[in-house]
Amino acid sequence: QVQLQESGPGLVKPSQTLSLTCTVSGASISSGGYYWSWIRQHPGKGLEWIGYILYSGSTYYNPSLKSRVTISVDTSKNQFSLKLSSVTAADTAVYYCARGPWGAAIDYWGQGTLVTVSS
Amino acid sequence: EIVMTQSPATLSVSPGERATLSCRASQSVSSNLAWYQQKPGQAPRLLIYSASTRATGIPARFSGSGSGTEFTLTISSLQSEDFAVYSCQQYYDWPRTFGQGTKVGIK
Repeated sequence: QVQLQESGPGLVKPSQTLSLTCTVSGASISSGGYYWSWIRQHPGKGLEWIGYILYSGSTYYNPSLKSRVTISVDTSKNQFSLKLSSVTAADTAVYYCARGPWGAAIDYWGQGTLVTVSS
Repeated sequence: EIVMTQSPATLSVSPGERATLSCRASQSVSSNLAWYQQKPGQAPRLLIYSASTRATGIPARFSGSGSGTEFTLTISSLQSEDFAVYSCQQYYDWPRTFGQGTKVGIK
């Protein structure tokens, strides 16, 4: 059974960098064929794709966030991470990590973690 | 980016009744369309992919149809566990985009 688990601070100060890690179990990021994504959901709103990374390290970022986003992978730990810089209150959201087969819909999601941006 | 628009925003249905949810794409996404179910405090759950294929373990009362820009999710006979928010998502182009969701509530 594939499982993804987000971890990281639940509170970040404005202008600082939000950092989250997703630990994957039941599947190997190194096996290829999947995109490993970060997706967020503002309170009471729809889902927003932040970006993805492949096992090779290739990335794609949503143009709306591209200037502030970095996604990285550590295949030795079977983890991938999100960094979002210069955060504001508008970045307060539940952040999900997720897996999707290449060219297909997301099949596994983490449980999500609420990150609040506040001083 | 491709904009996904869902209607209605809220749907009130009695248990046992049929629910029909719509999703429209701002440009053709072929059949690269998925439906997710989300309950409060939970992650989305894949219901339908390729517009009409049920994901593993999804009951037959859930069905999807459509292609191009117009899609429909039908729940044939609503059960108590089906009251949730349903979102569509296109995976035809990047960035992947989601609809704003339809909340299915008890009438």
